[in-house]
Amino acid sequence: DAGVTQSPTHLIKTRGQHVTLRCSPISGHKSVSWYQQVLGQGPQFIFQYYEKEERGRGNFPDRFSARQFPNYSSELNVNALLLGDSALYLCASSWGSARETQYFGPGTRLLVL
Amino acid sequence: GQQLNQSPQSMFIQEGEDVSMNCTSSSIFNTWLWYKQDPGEGPVLLIALYKAGELTSNGRLTAQFGITRKDSFLNISASIPSDVGIYFCAGPHMEYGNKLVFGAGTILRVKS
Repeated sequence: DAGVTQSPTHLIKTRGQHVTLRCSPISGHKSVSWYQQVLGQGPQFIFQYYEKEERGRGNFPDRFSARQFPNYSSELNVNALLLGDSALYLCASSWGSARETQYFGPGTRLLVL
Repeated sequence: GQQLNQSPQSMFIQEGEDVSMNCTSSSIFNTWLWYKQDPGEGPVLLIALYKAGELTSNGRLTAQFGITRKDSFLNISASIPSDVGIYFCAGPHMEYGNKLVFGAGTILRVKS
């Protein structure tokens, strides 16, 4: 069975641009969470979606948005990119939205110049 | 910012040695998770702890849930080169709707 997949693997953008990152959860998983991992730090929670509804949001500005589709895949959108948005963006899937184990994808590495 | 404090920040040990690292918080956690992240990969769950005082093993790895609920420890016995990586502690934090918060990680390097 395929694990969590993310695309693209790497991305280079310039300040002010917009970016869309994509995630496909493990088959059967209905929850997707997004994390930002800046170099030298642990992942920081951005969003959780379950059954296409937002179930949690971390301390990130409104430039960050996400959605989940009927097939449970998800997109993370970031508008008006800043240099500080450069990071590894991780997607994690789980069966439900509570205590279930989260399985992480390999991430998308975003560089903002 | 990070809610969990991990120490040491990095370790450089001899192959075959035992390794200990810990994670502390000023807040109480009801679950402690230990993840390992290899270069170019996402974090992989190693051990999950759900009860204060619990001691759980996974092969050469052993983790403990501190009785105060404010700390956890991870031990690796007889380290091997593939143990290299970054080890993160994490837990669901009530202030964030029980979503996971992570420590900054302990970098483990092994001399062969």
